[in-house]
Amino acid sequence: AQSVSQHNHHVILSEAASLELGCNYSYGGTVNLFWYVQYPGQHLQLLLKYFSGDPLVKGIKGFEAEFIKSKFSFNLRKPSVQWSDTAEYFCAVNAGYGGSQGNLIFGKGTKLSVKP
Amino acid sequence: GAGVSQTPSNKVTEKGKYVELRCDPISGHTALYWYRQSLGQGPEFLIYFQGTGAADDSGLPNDRFFAVRPEGSVSTLKIQRTERGDSAVYLCASSLTHRGTTEAFFGQGTRLTVV
Repeated sequence: AQSVSQHNHHVILSEAASLELGCNYSYGGTVNLFWYVQYPGQHLQLLLKYFSGDPLVKGIKGFEAEFIKSKFSFNLRKPSVQWSDTAEYFCAVNAGYGGSQGNLIFGKGTKLSVKP
Repeated sequence: GAGVSQTPSNKVTEKGKYVELRCDPISGHTALYWYRQSLGQGPEFLIYFQGTGAADDSGLPNDRFFAVRPEGSVSTLKIQRTERGDSAVYLCASSLTHRGTTEAFFGQGTRLTVV
């Protein structure tokens, strides 16, 4: 069965620090990869996604992620975080094919707190 | 509406009662998903509808849980004989198609508390 692991439960950074959140998945076939963000009191929003092509993908608000197939990883990065990046971040995967390919498998999430 | 709407936003019910949670997806989205998010966990897949039919209900935990989408738009998640372990945030998402490359849009969820 597919699974997603997020290594950090809670990350605390000061503004302007660099961010890297780890995500590993287990699935042998073609996958689509996503990072979702949930700001306090708001719904889940898509931050970025990878389907194919360039393994370095750029998303909104200066975030980027790199897909490394050999490591089954899709880590999220931002060179300089802001207080407004305080949120919970979820890595997710779905199958690239099949009848239920739209079903997302989520990691447990990483809570990011940015100190002003 | 502009986004996925879920009602109620909060529901407190007594153990053993029946509850219904409603999801109004983005207009024109054929795929609709229900997820459950327990405290400290990521969302877990429950059921997926393509149009009116439940295409995959493999995530429903047991037969107390049931969902319908009779006209291919609004969906209702129904929980019978609620238990304290059912307490969670129930999320609905919709997407234009069920393809894995299609973005899913989430509602704000219904927080269910069983006392």
